[in-house]
Amino acid sequence: DAMVIQNPRYQVTQFGKPVTLSCSQTLNHNVMYWYQQKSSQAPKLLFHYYDKDFNNEADTPDNFQSRRPNTSFCFLDIRSPGLGDAAMYLCATSRGTGGHTEAFFGQGTRLTVV
Amino acid sequence: GEDVEQSLFLSVREGDSSVINCTYTDSSSTYLYWYKQEPGAGLQLLTYIFSNMDMKQDQRLTVLLNKKDKHLSLRIADTQTGDSAIYFCAEPGGGADGLTFGKGTHLIIQP
Repeated sequence: DAMVIQNPRYQVTQFGKPVTLSCSQTLNHNVMYWYQQKSSQAPKLLFHYYDKDFNNEADTPDNFQSRRPNTSFCFLDIRSPGLGDAAMYLCATSRGTGGHTEAFFGQGTRLTVV
Repeated sequence: GEDVEQSLFLSVREGDSSVINCTYTDSSSTYLYWYKQEPGAGLQLLTYIFSNMDMKQDQRLTVLLNKKDKHLSLRIADTQTGDSAIYFCAEPGGGADGLTFGKGTHLIIQP
């Protein structure tokens, strides 16, 4: 059974049109992450939530925002997508900080910007 | 800054051993990870090693860690077609609780 679910699997959006990607988890994990993975590149952490505490990476553009209304759901909002934002977006969860904490990934949402 | 380096491609014959190499820069990493990504799927944790170990074996997988050289390797014995995937080396970082990944090594299996 899928434990980290991302919807949709594929998303096409117009240049400049706001888009929201969603992630849900059944693991009751404290931490939820969003990564951006461009073609042939390493997944890059955008931000994460530890419970309700939001932690933004220093180099994440302001164009990217996130919401976590409850433990199970986390959203990635791209306010004005540019062509350079086309990528695979990966959601992940883990129990918490410190020591070895396995991260569980969703299947990703592939975003195309036209 | 943190940087994890991997070769982009590795081609092996079915039945041979595959060795995927990785170098990392953060000597304080307590754990190092190997993730596997199959086509159209998310990343899946394959194995990990604690930094006070130099080897870990799990069935067909062997992880070797050389802390002095900051070198990590993943050996897959008797490589099968189902092992065809992208393998990512990762260390804690890229933020307080995230992971810093390499670009991934595409493992290609020849019949």
